Amino acid sequence: NAGVMQNPRHLVRRRGQEARLRCSPVKGHSHVYWYRQLPEEGLKFMVYLQKENIIDESGMPKERFSAEFPKEGPSILRIQQVVRGDSAAYFCASSPSGTPQLFFGSGTQLSVL
Amino acid sequence: KQEVTQIPAALSVPEGENLVLNCSFTDSAIYNLQWFRQDPGKGLTSLLLIQSSQREQTSGRLNASLDKSSGRSTLYIAASQPGDSATYLCAVIRNSGNTPLVFGKGTRLSVIA
Repeated sequence: NAGVMQNPRHLVRRRGQEARLRCSPVKGHSHVYWYRQLPEEGLKFMVYLQKENIIDESGMPKERFSAEFPKEGPSILRIQQVVRGDSAAYFCASSPSGTPQLFFGSGTQLSVL
Repeated sequence: KQEVTQIPAALSVPEGENLVLNCSFTDSAIYNLQWFRQDPGKGLTSLLLIQSSQREQTSGRLNASLDKSSGRSTLYIAASQPGDSATYLCAVIRNSGNTPLVFGKGTRLSVIA
């Protein structure tokens, strides 16, 4: 069974460009979470999605950030007009319906030059 | 607002020693608490999950305890090995629904051969 797959593993962008991070959850999981980890910091919750719906986006910046989890295909975290402060590791986790146990991907390391 | 603190931030021990990692949380109204391991450049691996009604969980050389009333958990590692070197993260979840985990910043453990 494949676990949570994130790609790319490393992403380099210049200031002002767009970053798209992809997450394919464990097969059969309908809940996806995105977390961000800044250097020397813990993981901070960003957004929680179920298929086609955003359930909780309280941890996501109001501007430049968006997330989706379409009916078909992976979940996408999109960051527009990236700034140096966006440099971080972005982790995706998934869970089956009705349980709080999460399975994490290996993360995408975003570097903004 | 739930806050999770882990002490110490870093720990270095010789191989074979027993050690304790500490985690404290401010809001005792938790559903469960989890300990994760994070290796550099990799995702999180769940080690132990303790339900709020439980006192401890054991897996091999790992033992995690939970004292919900005092807002504390400890992770005990027996007979440490160099392969145990990693960052250990503590996380709590508020209720049984698919609500976000709240993480501590982690303890970076180095076991010296």
